[in-house]
Amino acid sequence: GAVVSQHPSRVICKSGTSVKIECRSLDFQATTMFWYRQFPKQSLMLMATSNEGSKATYEQGVEKDKFLINHASLTLSTLTVTSAHPEDSSFYICSASGESNSPLHFGNGTRLTVT
Amino acid sequence: DAKTTQPPSMDCAEGRAANLPCNHSTISGNEYVYWYRQIHSQGPQYIIHGLKNNETNEMASLIITEDRKSSTLILPHATLRDTAVYYCIALSGTYKYIFGTGTRLKVLA
Repeated sequence: GAVVSQHPSRVICKSGTSVKIECRSLDFQATTMFWYRQFPKQSLMLMATSNEGSKATYEQGVEKDKFLINHASLTLSTLTVTSAHPEDSSFYICSASGESNSPLHFGNGTRLTVT
Repeated sequence: DAKTTQPPSMDCAEGRAANLPCNHSTISGNEYVYWYRQIHSQGPQYIIHGLKNNETNEMASLIITEDRKSSTLILPHATLRDTAVYYCIALSGTYKYIFGTGTRLKVLA
């Protein structure tokens, strides 16, 4: 079945630094990937849609200059949290799909802690 | 995409069937119903999806009412490892999944 790999699974960084999270589709090509954020005891919130070869589309209220998304190939999308602050601490999850009308598959998430 | 409504929590005894309902009364004709679950600190796991016919796979069965306004996910013999938050999503085409609050299923020993 379709596998989406996310790396790293956990990261701790200091306030003001930037962190990059990678999302890879391992056995299929994904022209579109999605990035979600999840705070404790809450549901997943869609942050942005990542399109291969073009700019990402951000949901309302998500700062595009803070959460940089690059989708440079059909198997890799990256999310960079720039100038991280403690309030950016969260669980970040990516997803991708290979074919039309097939289900989205999700990575195992990245737990970001900003100290 | 249609809004879905699920009960916030349910308990189920281990070994019994867990029946998780979802209401999607505004679903349109081309919108599929997808079910996912999320075990603590992991990404959502795909379970099953359907359009109008009932579906079954190795994980679960999906029963969709004839008017398609609601569906039920059935885990036939729940185990402790099925304890998770279960999400029902109705959409077509765009893959822009919007997650509701889901149902927190607790399987009791």
